[in-house]
Amino acid sequence: DTEVTQTPKHLVMGMTNKKSLKCEQHMGHRAMYWYKQKAKKPPELMFVYSYEKLSINESVPSRFSPECPNSSLLNLHLHALQPEDSALYLCASSQRDGADGYEQYFGPGTRLTVT
Amino acid sequence: AQKITQTQPGMFVQEKEAVTLDCTYDTSDPSYGLFWYKQPSSGEMIFLIYQGSYDQQNATEGRYSLNFQKARKSANLVISASQLGDSAMYFCALNTGRRALTFGSGTRLQVQP
Repeated sequence: DTEVTQTPKHLVMGMTNKKSLKCEQHMGHRAMYWYKQKAKKPPELMFVYSYEKLSINESVPSRFSPECPNSSLLNLHLHALQPEDSALYLCASSQRDGADGYEQYFGPGTRLTVT
Repeated sequence: AQKITQTQPGMFVQEKEAVTLDCTYDTSDPSYGLFWYKQPSSGEMIFLIYQGSYDQQNATEGRYSLNFQKARKSANLVISASQLGDSAMYFCALNTGRRALTFGSGTRLQVQP
């Protein structure tokens, strides 16, 4: 099973709302990632978790707060977002991090619209 | 610093023909990996093929092959016998010891019947 699941598929939220995106994998992968993808652009890395610890934060604004409760789950908590945060949010996982050919498996993404 | 460049914003190919999508990269890290992903309009990123910097042979996966020219720092994707379902956005990506993928700008491939 090479599946990464993400919920919800679509989310519309106001600028004062608090919401969370959820990502789950059951492949035993120990590295998990959040990417943000604007329309017609490539994905941009936001966060990396390695063995459930945050290892990379790409200077993401604090209105995005990641959480890794266990090795299978990754959450992204959203608060006080701006309209420019509207994008496709992709979660990915890999066996481990590193440059050793561990391909990242992506979920279907959550399309977020901030009104 | 690492960089990935895809110079073809869009490509057209006739069904059953082969097509080459270009990718060049730049990194000072001696150990790195190059990946190709396909992104249909549904949004999911689908892993296609991987080439490691120390691999001697070009990678192949079914109809996909990677033309790896290390001295030129290029890693072009070749799709043989194109199918209508191959129409999608294709991203080349680089992974170094930094542990995450850096993506190129992508090439939109359209397969025509």
